[in-house]
Amino acid sequence: KAGVTQTPRYLIKTRGQQVTLSCSPISGHRSVSWYQQTPGQGLQFLFEYFSETQRNKGNFPGRFSGRQFSNSRSEMNVSTLELGDSALYLCASSQGTSADTQYFGPGTRLTVL
Amino acid sequence: GDSVTQMEGPVTLSEEAFLTINCTYTATGYPSLFWYVQYPGEGLQLLLKATKADDKGSNKGFEATYRKETTSFHLEKGSVQVSDSAVYFCALSMRWGGSEKLVFGKGTKLTVNP
Repeated sequence: KAGVTQTPRYLIKTRGQQVTLSCSPISGHRSVSWYQQTPGQGLQFLFEYFSETQRNKGNFPGRFSGRQFSNSRSEMNVSTLELGDSALYLCASSQGTSADTQYFGPGTRLTVL
Repeated sequence: GDSVTQMEGPVTLSEEAFLTINCTYTATGYPSLFWYVQYPGEGLQLLLKATKADDKGSNKGFEATYRKETTSFHLEKGSVQVSDSAVYFCALSMRWGGSEKLVFGKGTKLTVNP
């Protein structure tokens, strides 16, 4: 089975712009979670989608949003970018059931100038 | 709230040395516990997991035992290799609003010298 894929792998944007990141889960997985990784804050949960519905959201401002399509692919959008949004954004997929294991993609490295 | 504390690094060892990375957790209920590894420039890879007390997870020579009495999940390997150099994350999975959310420790950077 192919693993979780994320595109693009690297992105450079300037403050005030918006960005969309994409994640394709492992075939058959219905849940996609997004995490932000920074040197200062570590890995933080952004949100989780299951069957096109957001099931949970972390403690991030409304500039961070996402969606999931019927084929389980997910996109994450960040509007009005700030310097502090520079991070590695990781998505993880799972079957979405209780105590299921999450499998991570390689991440998208976002740099905001 | 639920949290994970793991030993701060960096940790530097010689090849074939014994490795221990300590991890303790605070959680309500009975979370599943995980170790993930991140190689330079890559995402997280699941290394091993344990879903209930006294379970031992193992993979590629690494082991960790779910200790409910000490709320710990320490990672061990008897003989490390240069290729084990990476950042290791301890995590717990908590049930939250109908789904599972991973809570991570800060990560421990391991460097193994030949």
